[in-house]
Amino acid sequence: DAGVTQSPTHLIKTRGQQVTLRCSPKSGHDTVSWYQQALGQGPQFIFQYYEEEERQRGNFPDRFSGHQFPNYSSELNVNALLLGDSALYLCASSLAQGNTEAFFGQGTRLTVV
Amino acid sequence: KQEVTQIPAALSVPEGENLVLNCSFTDSAIYNLQWFRQDPGKGLTSLLLIQSSQREQTSGRLNASLDKSSGRSTLYIAASQPGDSATYLCAVNKGTYKYIFGTGTRLKVLA
Repeated sequence: DAGVTQSPTHLIKTRGQQVTLRCSPKSGHDTVSWYQQALGQGPQFIFQYYEEEERQRGNFPDRFSGHQFPNYSSELNVNALLLGDSALYLCASSLAQGNTEAFFGQGTRLTVV
Repeated sequence: KQEVTQIPAALSVPEGENLVLNCSFTDSAIYNLQWFRQDPGKGLTSLLLIQSSQREQTSGRLNASLDKSSGRSTLYIAASQPGDSATYLCAVNKGTYKYIFGTGTRLKVLA
């Protein structure tokens, strides 16, 4: 079992550009959530996808969007990048049914210059 | 609005000490609480999951307790080792896997 995998591991982008981050959930999991973790802070919930639809959303602007594919993998897109978007982006997978653990990937470190 | 606080923010102890990390949350209507470990620049590793109906969970040298009514959880680490050095995060789940995290406790275990 490969667990939760994220790509790429590191990324450097320029202000104003767009970025796409990818996540493959743990085998058997159907729900993917995305978190943003600024340096020295706890992760902040961005949004969650289940059955290819956004099910919940945190307090993030519309520049942040996502997608879930039929195989449950997911993408996080950020448009018009700001310096403040520099952070570690974490993907978590879980089962919609049942009260079980959430598993996190190793994250994508995004640096906006 | 659920808020999660972790105390202390940082902790430095000599190897072999037993230690307690604290997590408090403002809304007791939680589904479960999960403790994670995070090494610098890395993702989160799940340590223990406590369901709302449970009082504690144990895994090796780790023991986590939950007192939902008072909004508190503790992570007890026995016989600490330098390899335990990391940031420890607690997160509460209200039932939809939207985790609310604390800011973590940075632990350093000195050899």
